[in-house]
Amino acid sequence: GAVVSQHPSRVICKSGTSVKIECRSLDFQATTMFWYRQFPKKSLMLMATSNEGSKATYEQGVEKDKFLINHASLTLSTLTVTSAHPEDSSFYICSAQGGTVDNEQFFGPGTRLTVL
Amino acid sequence: RKEVEQDPGPFNVPEGATVAFNCTYSNSASQSFFWYRQDCRKEPKLLMSVYSSGNEDGRFTAQLNRASQYISLLIRDSKLSDSATYLCVVNMNTGFQKLVFGTGTRLLVSP
Repeated sequence: GAVVSQHPSRVICKSGTSVKIECRSLDFQATTMFWYRQFPKKSLMLMATSNEGSKATYEQGVEKDKFLINHASLTLSTLTVTSAHPEDSSFYICSAQGGTVDNEQFFGPGTRLTVL
Repeated sequence: RKEVEQDPGPFNVPEGATVAFNCTYSNSASQSFFWYRQDCRKEPKLLMSVYSSGNEDGRFTAQLNRASQYISLLIRDSKLSDSATYLCVVNMNTGFQKLVFGTGTRLLVSP
């Protein structure tokens, strides 16, 4: 089946630093990739949708200058959390769509970010 | 009102029990519906799609009532391995998916 990887799986950083998270579709070309965030005991919330080669579409309330998304190829999207603060600590999950007729999204294993 | 609402649980059931989860959604224009399973600190995984006619996959049965904007999941003969959080998910778009997740219902199956 379709496989999506994320790297790193866990990151701990100091406040003010920037963190880059990679999302790769390993065995299919992803026409669309999505970035979600999940706080403890909360639902996954869509942050942004990106298509290869074009600017990401951000959901209301998500700062595009803080969460930089690059979708440079059909198999790779990156999310950079700039100047991270403790309130950005969360579980970031990407998903990719494009491997199936019914447009199913395949989720990566997630990245747990802790900002000290 | 939340776009997708679920009872957070937890539902504590013994092995072999039948358990049902419910979900309501607010947007009548929603296109498609799913149940996902999420284990602790893991990514969500698609359990099954939900169709208007109702559908079954082994011990799992899903139902959709568009008029009432209500979705259900029934699990028969619960196994210990069914312990997880079950997410009700609604797709708002045609074309590429725009998924809206409920907060999930936690299920604990005990021996």
